[in-house]
Order: sequence, then structure tokens, then C-alpha cells
Amino acid sequence: GIQVEQSPPDLILQEGANSTLRCNFSDSVNNLQWFHQNPWGQLINLFYIPSGTKQNGRLSATTVATERYSLLYISSSQTTDSGVYFCAVPERSNDYKLSFGAGTTVTVRA
Amino acid sequence: GAGVSQTPSNKVTEKGKYVELRCDPISGHTALYWYRQSLGQGPEFLIYFQGTGAADDSGLPNDRFFAVRPEGSVSTLKIQRTERGDSAVYLCASSLRAGRSYEQYFGPGTRLTVT
Repeated sequence: GIQVEQSPPDLILQEGANSTLRCNFSDSVNNLQWFHQNPWGQLINLFYIPSGTKQNGRLSATTVATERYSLLYISSSQTTDSGVYFCAVPERSNDYKLSFGAGTTVTVRA
Repeated sequence: GAGVSQTPSNKVTEKGKYVELRCDPISGHTALYWYRQSLGQGPEFLIYFQGTGAADDSGLPNDRFFAVRPEGSVSTLKIQRTERGDSAVYLCASSLRAGRSYEQYFGPGTRLTVT
């Protein structure tokens, strides 16, 4: 199946700082989702972004499908941004099946 | 509107017991998925329903695991003769249709602990 790698595994930020999270995948994809898992375990949809760039408030994401990576940008980080960020891509042949990376754990300190 | 809901939020059971985990998808979503998340890892696919039938159960770890969706809405994941290795968070997701063009939305999960 498709391999998904996320970096860095852990990130500690001071409130107000900016950061970039990366997601690499081993095969071409037609879809990519970014999620934020809050400290209570809920997976919150951030972006559905097969290609190009999208912005939502302080967050933005860019997917370059031809080079098999996606980036998630967090600007002016807040303590509520803490949690684990996952990217997920569908399997090529069974495209309802999402493969997740191991996640990036973000801790934002006040 | 209401999101995906799951009950119970937490379940503690003894080794060897039977458990049922329930998922109520977003209204109108025809595709439903179960994933399992172990500590420190991303969710892993278990099973997918399109309507009432299990279209792909290739992710179920063994025959102690079974899932149903009898009326095409609510789904129940059933685990027989639970083992300590079954301890994990079980996540349910739904999407309007199945396939790469449709976003999956996740419920809050059921944390299962087998003692």
C-alpha cells in the first residue's frame, strides 16, 4: 500500500510562532486530507486538498501531487493549536481507504 | 448539522468478554468506515460499508472482529473474546459517497481497554 511519512514527529512552539509540517507520500494521489486531533482525541477536518493551495484563517496547506508532498502552515500559533496533525491519502486501487501518517505532535507554549 | 457520533466513549472490559461499539454516521452519508488507532500511531483502516453491505473488510485483524450496518445507517463493530491487544481507540467515519473525491468525517472514537 501507499506509504505516508510526516515530519517532524514533534514540534514545540512558542505562542505566536509560525511553523511548517510536511507530508510525503510514496505514490501519486488524487486526494489528500489534513486533520487535527485535539487533546480529547477528536479528528477535525482541516483541509481536503488534492492539489494547489488553500487557506483557512491562520492555517494554509499546499499539495504538490507531482512531487508527492504536502505542507501545512500554521501562522501566529495559539495554545489551542496543540495536538497531533495527520495527513491521509487514499489507496490507489481502493480509493475509499485512507492511509495515515504517524502524525506530527505540536505543543504550543504560552 | 450533527456530526458522526459514537457510543460508548469509553469501554473497559475483561479479557475474553464480548463488546459492541456503535457508530451513527452523518445523516445522508452512504459510506461508513471503521478505523483503529493505537497509541502514538495514525488510524488504520478496518472495514468499509457502502449502504448495508460490507464492501471491504480486509482490515479486520481476525475473525473475532465483525461489523454490521443492517439498515444502511447505524453500524455496530463487534469484538468477540477480547484480548489485551485489542485495546485501542476505535474510530468511525462517514462520507457522502465512497471514493477519493469525498471527504471522510470522523467521530470522537471509542476508547477500548481490555484488562
